[in-house]
Amino acid sequence: RKEVEQDPGPFNVPEGATVAFNCTYSNSASQSFFWYRQDCRKEPKLLMSVYSSGNEDGRFTAQLNRASQYISLLIRDSKLSDSATYLCVVASDKLIFGTGTRLQVFP
Amino acid sequence: DAGVIQSPRHEVTEMGQEVTLRCKPISGHNSLFWYRQTMMRGLELLIYFNNNVPIDDSGMPEDRFSAKMPNASFSTLKIQPSEPRDSAVYFCASSFMQLNQPQHFGDGTRLSIL
Repeated sequence: RKEVEQDPGPFNVPEGATVAFNCTYSNSASQSFFWYRQDCRKEPKLLMSVYSSGNEDGRFTAQLNRASQYISLLIRDSKLSDSATYLCVVASDKLIFGTGTRLQVFP
Repeated sequence: DAGVIQSPRHEVTEMGQEVTLRCKPISGHNSLFWYRQTMMRGLELLIYFNNNVPIDDSGMPEDRFSAKMPNASFSTLKIQPSEPRDSAVYFCASSFMQLNQPQHFGDGTRLSIL
């Protein structure tokens, strides 16, 4: 089993849709969690950290479920500019990036 | 403010040649990370430094790869000799503290070994 697993997608959604991604991790001792966004042929950029109580940043909501060992990212009112690959990152004694979930928002 | 600066942006060379990738972290950051990204394997952590000291190099593929951080503002990743399977995008990232803080990535070096 991979240490961090994501559905590679692609998720094809129309503008205005709500879309959610999950990411599962295997190390129960993991301490920190993040979502990064990566555009084609660009570097990963931090989208948001994931806190135990869940957190929201505009149209984006991140949640952590320690019991089931997954984190989620919810995007509301999708925009064309949200099209990208979303990487989940889990930190314990090392940092592990998921392989990413590709999102394509169409008009 | 300047972000993480990597050079070169692109490198094309023949197998067997030595390749040196360079990175300048964000000023004040004390952790530096080298990653490799390919379609097949995604983003892989190769090595990271804390206060210029290598902490974990378990991701370095083999002895052909080496990394140094002689001071807080400069790091190199060297491949010698290079092989076609080393072709990838190599990213450098930096952060304030080890693993539990967000990282800031450079633009990457696209390496092609012919």
